[in-house]
Amino acid sequence: TQLLEQSPQFLSIQEGENLTVYCNSSSVFSSLQWYRQEPGEGPVLLVTVVTGGEVKKLKRLTFQFGDARKDSSLHITAAQPGDTGLYLCAGEDYLHNNDMRFGAGTRLTVKP
Amino acid sequence: GAGVSQSPRYKVAKRGQDVALRCDPISGHVSLFWYQQALGQGPEFLTYFQNEAQLDKSGLPSDRFFAERPEGSVSTLKIQRTQQEDSAVYLCASSQLRNYGYTFGSGTRLTVV
Repeated sequence: TQLLEQSPQFLSIQEGENLTVYCNSSSVFSSLQWYRQEPGEGPVLLVTVVTGGEVKKLKRLTFQFGDARKDSSLHITAAQPGDTGLYLCAGEDYLHNNDMRFGAGTRLTVKP
Repeated sequence: GAGVSQSPRYKVAKRGQDVALRCDPISGHVSLFWYQQALGQGPEFLTYFQNEAQLDKSGLPSDRFFAERPEGSVSTLKIQRTQQEDSAVYLCASSQLRNYGYTFGSGTRLTVV
């Protein structure tokens, strides 16, 4: 059982469309991180959210941390082919030495 | 250095062979982490160092896996008697503070044949 469940697992859209991906858990996190990973590379940190209800914007990307700090979402406006990649969320696992645990990711493909 | 450097980028090992994977973290980063990423999955935690101390090795899948960071900078992940299920990408990450936000290397893709 994954500590962090990400949905959808796969998403294929056309350039210009909007999309939202989700990261859910039954655990409470002090913070959640979002990463993007491209083929053959390591994950790259996009944002860290720390406060329940927090919304952070990074250009066309909007990240939200749930009020109860158990879930998070990533919304992309007007997706571009350069947004293609694996989007991963990660949070501390208090049951396992506070190790940072990752979800399985959402694989996004944006077609031109 | 400017980023986290891992070597080799690719390693093909025959089953039963020992391998050593190297990680050069960002200079001054206290925390260093190793993750294993299977195809189509998210990274799975292996082990964590704070300086030279290995504070958590709970994610190492068996006693064939061993990691060290003797001088608190470069780290090596060693896998003895490799098996096919060890085939994966091994990622190293470093950070100034634990769980503050990691910088990952590009990984080493290990294929055991």
